[in-house]
Amino acid sequence: EAEVAQSPRYKITEKSQAVAFWCDPISGHATLYWYRQILGQGPELLVQFQDESVVDDSQLPKDRFSAERLKGVDSTLKIQPAELGDSAMYLCASSAGLAGGGYNEQFFGPGTRLTVL
Amino acid sequence: KQEVTQIPAALSVPEGENLVLNCSFTDSAIYNLQWFRQDPGKGLTSLLLIQSSQREQTSGRLNASLDKSSGRSTLYIAASQPGDSATYLCAVWDGGGFKTIFGAGTRLFVKA
Repeated sequence: EAEVAQSPRYKITEKSQAVAFWCDPISGHATLYWYRQILGQGPELLVQFQDESVVDDSQLPKDRFSAERLKGVDSTLKIQPAELGDSAMYLCASSAGLAGGGYNEQFFGPGTRLTVL
Repeated sequence: KQEVTQIPAALSVPEGENLVLNCSFTDSAIYNLQWFRQDPGKGLTSLLLIQSSQREQTSGRLNASLDKSSGRSTLYIAASQPGDSATYLCAVWDGGGFKTIFGAGTRLFVKA
């Protein structure tokens, strides 16, 4: 069964260091999403891509976060410098089209648990 | 601004009980609503997707309904089992913001 892959699964870093997360969506899925989930809360959208283009990054703290999907397939989310408040689960999801259109279910990867010390 | 609320925040039931989880949203301009399950420390597993034109969807022991005009959805779980213990999240595709908005989830514990 096709799955969304993410790595690493866990990351511990010190404040002010740089971290990067990688996501490989389900093959053929045009839309890719990055979410941040704080313990006890629902996921919050950071950025969504349609192929290689950013559709929405209004919630992405652009002074320290960046995301790219250069060839419209896999994607990288970077934080530089990391702050204590960035400790959270970072989730990647993909869908065949934009989630608002048709039967476009979102499928999630296992997430990356980030701890900033 | 779209807001999604899930009540109750936590629920504990004995095995075999039928139960209902609630999800409400403030703006009825949604394209679809999706229910997910999340086990501790894991990613989200899609359970059911309901299009805005639909009233309900069923999968096995799960049934989800949608009343867009009143801003409500329910997830019905029949004959609950200990393996159903998890956090259940609902999410709407918000037509106004053109993005997915999640509720905070209901944490379910089914006692054997």
